[in-house]
Amino acid sequence: GQNIDQPTEMTATEGAIVQINCTYQTSGFNGLFWYQQHAGEAPTFLSYNVLDGLEEKGRFSSFLSRSKGYSYLLLKELQMKDSASYLCAVTDSNYQLIWGAGTKLIIKP
Amino acid sequence: DTAVSQTPKYLVTQMGNDKSIKCEQNLGHDTMYWYKQDSKKFLKIMFSYNNKELIINETVPNRFSPKSPDKAHLNLHINSLELGDSAVYFCASSPPDREFIGELFFGEGSRLTVL
Repeated sequence: GQNIDQPTEMTATEGAIVQINCTYQTSGFNGLFWYQQHAGEAPTFLSYNVLDGLEEKGRFSSFLSRSKGYSYLLLKELQMKDSASYLCAVTDSNYQLIWGAGTKLIIKP
Repeated sequence: DTAVSQTPKYLVTQMGNDKSIKCEQNLGHDTMYWYKQDSKKFLKIMFSYNNKELIINETVPNRFSPKSPDKAHLNLHINSLELGDSAVYFCASSPPDREFIGELFFGEGSRLTVL
């Protein structure tokens, strides 16, 4: 079956750095996506990786290793507004989007 | 201008009733989706339409019937509502390029509560 694993919950301190991991086992791979979802709101697209390596976008970076079926989202200089759930999703060989259950990130002052 | 808009935002109704949720996107996307997010926050795809044609129909009770009058609209009708249907329903759309098909634009969500 197809599976995406990410930690259920993480806690970090304001101003620090946090890395949220995602591992996937899918039938084929056509891209990996990270989304942010604040409580009571819709998910919003953060980043997209299709080739191995690091994609940087301001305070957020996303890394992909296709051979390991592994990605991480790195958040730097954490702010209180970064408290949210972060969802990892992969498009498989049929371009169907497979979702992880999300990681709830709690930022403490 | 809201890119993907869905109505109503909140819906409280009794078991056995029939209800509809409407969705419209002004992004010019060809593909639209309905997702269900339950209390455990897991996003589960229900339906996907490409240019008014159904392309994904996951294991969903046939009480749920999507309808796409044109490629900018995808509505969801639910018959004989049950307690387990309580969830947030998200409409979404994605760009036509296959490589970006995972870059979804979501509506604000419709929170359905069945009493």
